[in-house]
Amino acid sequence: EPEVTQTPSHQVTQMGQEVILRCVPISNHLYFYWYRQILGQKVEFLVSFYNNEISEKSEIFDDQFSVERPDGSNFTLKIRSTKLEDSAMYFCASSPLGGNEKLFFGSGTQLSVL
Amino acid sequence: RKEVEQDPGPFNVPEGATVAFNCTYSNSASQSFFWYRQDCRKEPKLLMSVYSSGNEDGRFTAQLNRASQYISLLIRDSKLSDSATYLCVVPNTGGFKTIFGAGTRLFVKA
Repeated sequence: EPEVTQTPSHQVTQMGQEVILRCVPISNHLYFYWYRQILGQKVEFLVSFYNNEISEKSEIFDDQFSVERPDGSNFTLKIRSTKLEDSAMYFCASSPLGGNEKLFFGSGTQLSVL
Repeated sequence: RKEVEQDPGPFNVPEGATVAFNCTYSNSASQSFFWYRQDCRKEPKLLMSVYSSGNEDGRFTAQLNRASQYISLLIRDSKLSDSATYLCVVPNTGGFKTIFGAGTRLFVKA
């Protein structure tokens, strides 16, 4: 069964450093997403991406965040200058049609900012 | 009303019990609804989709009440392996944002 893959599974970084989280969505899916989940809290929407551009973003997704689909298969989330409060599990997801369709999630990257 | 609101839980039930979770949503125009299951520190996994009045899959039944903007999930004959957090999920109408409820934690005990 096709799956969304994310790397790395764990990332430890120092405050102020840049991190790039990587995702390979399911190959025939057209819509891509990043979510985050701070320990003990709910899953929060960050950004959606379609047709090589951001289609929607949340208030969390400020200028420190960016997304890119550099080569037609990878989908990356970059955090330019990490803060302690960026520590969370980051989930990538994809869906074939977007909108009201179900999401397929990767297994997540646990980001720890020290 | 919050966009998606769930019973806070936790629910502690014995094996074999029937348990029901409730979820309310604020956007009356929402057309589809989902229940996901999340195990500790794992990704959410789709349990059921609900597009009309309800859906049934084995021991799991989801019901939708559009008038009351309410979705429920019923689990019959609970198993130890059902222990998880159950997430009520509502896509944003016309957009690309999906709203997750805070989840209801279920513990099934032998």
